[in-house]
Amino acid sequence: AQSVTQPDIHITVSEGASLELRCNYSYGATPYLFWYVQSPGQGLQLLLKYFSGDTLVQGIKGFEAEFKRSQSSFNLRKPSVHWSDAAEYFCAVGGYNTDKLIFGTGTRLQVFP
Amino acid sequence: DAMVIQNPRYQVTQFGKPVTLSCSQTLNHNVMYWYQQKSSQAPKLLFHYYDKDFNNEADTPDNFQSRRPNTSFCFLDIRSPGLGDAAMYLCATSRELTASTAVTQPQHFGDGTRLSIL
Repeated sequence: AQSVTQPDIHITVSEGASLELRCNYSYGATPYLFWYVQSPGQGLQLLLKYFSGDTLVQGIKGFEAEFKRSQSSFNLRKPSVHWSDAAEYFCAVGGYNTDKLIFGTGTRLQVFP
Repeated sequence: DAMVIQNPRYQVTQFGKPVTLSCSQTLNHNVMYWYQQKSSQAPKLLFHYYDKDFNNEADTPDNFQSRRPNTSFCFLDIRSPGLGDAAMYLCATSRELTASTAVTQPQHFGDGTRLSIL
């Protein structure tokens, strides 16, 4: 079955600390992977995507993610978190012959000053 | 800026009273999606349009209907809202190359409409 797992429901970090949000996927074909961020009361904003090529992808707001096929993972990282990064983060997967996304359940990030 | 706009941002309706939520886009994307998102949950796809072709998810209740009169606009109609339909409703768009060889493209989301049921 196709699915996305975000093992961490809630993460708390201090401002300036590094961040890694985990994402594991199960997909029967070549996955297209996405990370979205959702601030309270807002829609989802695309942070970055991986379709092919270099497995380390750069996104907006200083985020990056690394695709590891052997581990079926697509973890999101940021070297230094800012208070404005506090939000909900969703990992999603798609692929060929579908225009639909499968979302993970999200990770809520809290940032302390 | 090209964008996806949802109106209204907040909607209050009475139990059983029909309600319509609207979405417009200036991206000229051919695919439009409606999601339901409840608190602390992932968005749940209700249905989507590829151009005028309507694609309903198997578990979307019959209470939920949609219309897409043209490329720019899409509406979500809830015929008889129940308390369980209180949620954030998100509209999204994407540009797919062809219907026969669809490849998941990035989706662009509106800010949502928060629906409350009295």
